[in-house]
Amino acid sequence: QKEVEQNSGPLSVPEGAIASLNCTYSDRGSQSFFWYRQYSGKSPELIMFIYSNGDKEDGRFTAQLNKASQYVSLLIRDSQPSDSATYLCAPQGGKLIFGQGTELSVKP
Amino acid sequence: EAQVTQNPRYLITVTGKKLTVTCSQNMNHEYMSWYRQDPGLGLRQIYYSMNVEVTDKGDVPEGYKVSRKEKRNFPLILESPSPNQTSLYFCASSLQGGEKLFFGSGTQLSVL
Repeated sequence: QKEVEQNSGPLSVPEGAIASLNCTYSDRGSQSFFWYRQYSGKSPELIMFIYSNGDKEDGRFTAQLNKASQYVSLLIRDSQPSDSATYLCAPQGGKLIFGQGTELSVKP
Repeated sequence: EAQVTQNPRYLITVTGKKLTVTCSQNMNHEYMSWYRQDPGLGLRQIYYSMNVEVTDKGDVPEGYKVSRKEKRNFPLILESPSPNQTSLYFCASSLQGGEKLFFGSGTQLSVL
């Protein structure tokens, strides 16, 4: 089993909708997670870091961590076309392994 | 400006011709890493380094070499490139292993 798994998509949502991106992980010892956003042809950039169970909000972005179920999710409210990108999750620690990423497409 | 600098940005080469992709960071980071990115496969780690003179294999190290003689530099060496190494490569660094990564701009490599 891969350490981190994401649905590669593409996930298509209309402008203004909520986009929900999910990530499951196999290592029960993982305590905290990064979410990176990567525009096509560009390098990844960090958008969220979550280290405790529950929700963390930053503007239109909310990260949710559920350690019991071993998943972490990213919600994007009021999705905009500029949110169209690939979103990668990675558990913090060690050599930093990424999921394969979920491609999000927000349609005007 | 704090940054990770990769060169070259684009590289076309032929099978078997040795090449080096350079990576340098000016943030005094201890941790550096190389990834390759292929469609549908995400970012896969090639090699990483926790500190000077300490390097370790990632998930896809075959056909690659690295060295970490100085803290700021972490070159990626392909001694005999093959077409299956055609990919988008990223160098990244962080203050310590497992922390927020800062990425270079990427190197698009084509091996003919």
